[in-house]
Amino acid sequence: GQQVMQIPQYQHVQEGEDFTTYCNSSTTLSNIQWYKQRPGGHPVFLIQLVKSGEVKKQKRLTFQFGEAKKNSSLHITATQTTDVGTYFCAGDYTGTASKLTFGTGTRLQVTL
Amino acid sequence: GAVVSQHPSRVICKSGTSVKIECRSLDFQATTMFWYRQFPKQSLMLMATSNEGSKATYEQGVEKDKFLINHASLTLSTLTVTSAHPEDSSFYICSARDGGQGAQNEQFFGPGTRLTVL
Repeated sequence: GQQVMQIPQYQHVQEGEDFTTYCNSSTTLSNIQWYKQRPGGHPVFLIQLVKSGEVKKQKRLTFQFGEAKKNSSLHITATQTTDVGTYFCAGDYTGTASKLTFGTGTRLQVTL
Repeated sequence: GAVVSQHPSRVICKSGTSVKIECRSLDFQATTMFWYRQFPKQSLMLMATSNEGSKATYEQGVEKDKFLINHASLTLSTLTVTSAHPEDSSFYICSARDGGQGAQNEQFFGPGTRLTVL
């Protein structure tokens, strides 16, 4: 079956440093979504990428979708303590969002 | 944004009892809802897809008779863990997809239910 892996599993940064998490699928995706889950909270949708090579920005967050639509990345510039949480990518293989396969997640810790 | 509620938020029960968890979409109609299970510091594992007015679609390895799903209306899906055992202890999260026009197909998650079976 489809598998979605993320690296790193965990990262600890000082506030102001950059952070990147990488997401890799075993097979080609139709599209990919990113979610953030704060400690003790539930996943919250961040963005959806659909096109090959697509790049989208949300303030300090930059999302990329690979040319082959098998990988994606999330880059945070100048992290803040509010960025703390686990970031999940979620692959849609069907094209209809009828089912998402969540990645293994990257837990980000930011300290002053 | 769209809001999904879940009830109860926390439940502790004895082994052998059944537990019902409700998932409601508060400000939109959800023809499709999803039930996930999440272990501490791990990812979300899809258990089943709940379809309004029809039978749920279960993922491989998930027992249908153990985890009963009912999606009786466009705003409510329930998950019943039957004859719960300690290994069923977990964090159960539901989500709903807004299938309306203009929606991005993102899933809106409920706050989750922490189930502890003694």
